[in-house]
Amino acid sequence: SYELTQPPSVSVSPGQTASITCSGDKLGDRYASWYQQKPGQSPVLVIYQDVKRPSGIPERFSGSNSGNTATLTISGTQAMDEADYYCQAWDSSTAVFGTGTKVTVL
Amino acid sequence: QVQLVQSGTEVKKPGASVKVSCKASGYSFITYGISWVRQAPGQGLEWMGWITAYNGDTNYSQKLQGRVTMTTDTSTSTAYMELRSLRSDDTAVYYCARPRTAATGTDFDYWGQGTLVTVSS
Repeated sequence: SYELTQPPSVSVSPGQTASITCSGDKLGDRYASWYQQKPGQSPVLVIYQDVKRPSGIPERFSGSNSGNTATLTISGTQAMDEADYYCQAWDSSTAVFGTGTKVTVL
Repeated sequence: QVQLVQSGTEVKKPGASVKVSCKASGYSFITYGISWVRQAPGQGLEWMGWITAYNGDTNYSQKLQGRVTMTTDTSTSTAYMELRSLRSDDTAVYYCARPRTAATGTDFDYWGQGTLVTVSS
């Protein structure tokens, strides 16, 4: 079965850039999406189709996807961005979520 | 505005079944499908399957095939997820999620608030 692997944790200082990777076989050949989930809340879509932001998502969130790796970048990270982040892609009509990354803003 | 409102907390014994509902509003229910995603305590997101609302076609994860059934009631714009033969490792928050477009294979832009299902003897 298809797997998406993320680093368990990423730490970033306020105002700095956080990069979260998502690795999967030939991931660049399919669309990657990213979700933000804060404790006790439902996931929120922050990036879709590799690079697009839904309305209401701040410009500091951006995405890329090439080869075997998709990346979510948070520029000028704010305390409110502290959350778990999950990548997601489709494989043979099955949605697959990444293992998740906890972003800590120190 | 689009809303997905789920049924409340459930506590079940091992071997029992649970049926969670997800009532949609603010959009044409039959145009979109619904996926179900669960999250065990302290764990990541796990996709369970999806159902197309207009004809009831389903696609379940291989892991849950045979134990899960997803249905819709278009008269009330409600989706249902039933999980049978519950085990302790089915303890999780269960979410319904709507895809961003009517096509299959897209991301999910609206989520229900989640339903906690606890399986314990």
